[in-house]
Amino acid sequence: RKEVEQDPGPFNVPEGATVAFNCTYSNSASQSFFWYRQDCRKEPKLLMSVYSSGNEDGRFTAQLNRASQYISLLIRDSKLSDSATYLCVVNPGQGGKLIFGQGTELSVKP
Amino acid sequence: NAGVTQTPKFRILKIGQSMTLQCTQDMNHNYMYWYRQDPGMGLKLIYYSVGAGITDKGEVPNGYNVSRSTTEDFPLRLELAAPSQTSVYFCASSYAARTDTQYFGPGTRLTVL
Repeated sequence: RKEVEQDPGPFNVPEGATVAFNCTYSNSASQSFFWYRQDCRKEPKLLMSVYSSGNEDGRFTAQLNRASQYISLLIRDSKLSDSATYLCVVNPGQGGKLIFGQGTELSVKP
Repeated sequence: NAGVTQTPKFRILKIGQSMTLQCTQDMNHNYMYWYRQDPGMGLKLIYYSVGAGITDKGEVPNGYNVSRSTTEDFPLRLELAAPSQTSVYFCASSYAARTDTQYFGPGTRLTVL
């Protein structure tokens, strides 16, 4: 089993749609969780951290379920500019090392 | 603040050649990391450093070496390049370890022929 596993993509959605990405992780001792965004051939950038209580940043909502070892990202009212690959990232608590999922590609069409 | 800078942006190597990928950060971060990303895959940790003079192996260290003589610089050395090392290499840094954001450089695209 992969340490961090994401929904296979790509997701092709029209502008204005709501889209959800799922991610599972295998190490129950993992300590912190993130969603990063990666545009084509560029470096990953932090989109948002994920907290147990759930958190929201504008059109983006992240949820964490520690019992099920499951992380989600919801994007409401998709924009063309949301087209990118979304990486689920887990910190297993080992010296700052991050474990990256393989990414889910999102393409938002007009 | 330039953040994390990497050189070169692109490089083509022949099998058996060596090279050093440079990484510098100006944010006074303690932690620095090297990742590789193969097409359609997530990032895999090669080496990381928790401070000057301290380095440790990540998930895929074979064929690489690192050093950390200063807080700012974390070069990655490839010895005897192989086609399997064709990849995009990202350097990253963070102030702390457990919950802090990692900031990435723009990457080095390496092809080994």
